[in-house]
Amino acid sequence: DIVMTQGALPNPVPSGESVSITCRSSKSLLYSDGKTYLNWYLQRPGQSPQLLIYWMSTRASGVSDRFSGSGSGTDFTLKISGVEAEDVGVYYCQQGLEFPRTFGGGTKLELK
Amino acid sequence: EVQLVESGGGLVQPGRSMKLSCAASGFTFSNYGMAWVRQAPTKGLEWVATISYDGSSTYYRDSVKGRFTISRDNAKSTLYLQMNSLRSEDTATYYCTRERLRVMDAWGQGASVTVSS
Repeated sequence: DIVMTQGALPNPVPSGESVSITCRSSKSLLYSDGKTYLNWYLQRPGQSPQLLIYWMSTRASGVSDRFSGSGSGTDFTLKISGVEAEDVGVYYCQQGLEFPRTFGGGTKLELK
Repeated sequence: EVQLVESGGGLVQPGRSMKLSCAASGFTFSNYGMAWVRQAPTKGLEWVATISYDGSSTYYRDSVKGRFTISRDNAKSTLYLQMNSLRSEDTATYYCTRERLRVMDAWGQGASVTVSS
């Protein structure tokens, strides 16, 4: 199984600051079709997860351009430019390359 | 608007069965793969199973293989998860998700399943 490992944030984060969340996969997520199958989700407190970024760097519909995704085949970053109150929650990375689908352990964002 | 509404959760004794349903609306259900993802209390997300758009292919995590069955009725736009021989470690909120091109792009509100005597 592909293991997804996420980094932690230095919580609490001051409002307006930019933060980066890291995710590493145990296997390259770059597929032969040229896409990198790494997705990011946000789960706000008491809510269901929602898709933020897919295929490593494509923003989902309706997602603020303050969110951006980047990376290589195994190391990925979700950047939030200027955190706001609505960004509070737990962020998960997930690989879509193969089954079983696997998620990172989550990275919690708290606001100061 | 895409909507996924789970039902069928609750309290069940270890070893017994339970069936979850997910009613889909706002999109052409038969065009999309679907999946179940669960979240144990205070824990992270865990993929459970995926079914292809036409039901011809199914995939399961090892810990539920042989006990859980994912299925769908495209005429009713409904996804199912039949859970047999339930264990305490199956206690979780179960989310129905739409999966296309390896992305889970829509999620339901979740159904709570508690396995306890």
